Amino acid sequence: EIVLTQSPGTLSLSPGERATLSCRASQSVSSNYLAWYQQKPGQAPRLLIYAASSRATGIPDRFSGSGSGTDFTLTISRLEPEDFAVYYCQQFGSAFVFGGGTKVEIK
Amino acid sequence: EVQLVESGGGLVQPGGSLRVSCEASGFTFNKHAMSWVRQAPGRGLEWVANINGDGNWILYVDSVKGRFTISRDNGKNSLSLQMNSLRAEDTAVYYCAREGWYHMDVWGKGATVTVSS
Repeated sequence: EIVLTQSPGTLSLSPGERATLSCRASQSVSSNYLAWYQQKPGQAPRLLIYAASSRATGIPDRFSGSGSGTDFTLTISRLEPEDFAVYYCQQFGSAFVFGGGTKVEIK
Repeated sequence: EVQLVESGGGLVQPGGSLRVSCEASGFTFNKHAMSWVRQAPGRGLEWVANINGDGNWILYVDSVKGRFTISRDNGKNSLSLQMNSLRAEDTAVYYCAREGWYHMDVWGKGATVTVSS
């Protein structure tokens, strides 16, 4: 079973700064099967990125995804106050697997 | 409006059973695979099970195999998760999610399941 490791566990940044979140797979995965989600406290997750780099409907263009093979990245170009949340990557191999999450907090 | 609404959560004793359901609206239900995803208190997301649009292809995470059963009623736009032999570690918010192409593009607000004596 593929394991997804997200880093860092917590990212402390200020509004307006750039956020770079990493998701590393224990073995190569298809880019078509890599997605990113945002979750705020008390809310359900929201799809941000699918197929590694495609933005979901209604997602601002400050969110971008990249990567291939075992290394994938979610970048938030300029943090807005509403972007402080927990972010999860997810892949599908023989089943769905989520990474452990990265919390983006206000510095 | 595309919407998923879970129901049926609650408090159950260890070893007991509970059924959570999800009512779908605003899209052609039988065209989409569906998943259940759970989140234990203070923890990350864990995929639990999924079922294809026809209901004839089902997958489970190892920790629930033999205890949980996912099913769907396309005539009623409804998804269910029957949970038997519940354990304390099954305590979580259970989310119903619509699948796109190997991702989950619509989520319900979740149903809380607490397993405790």
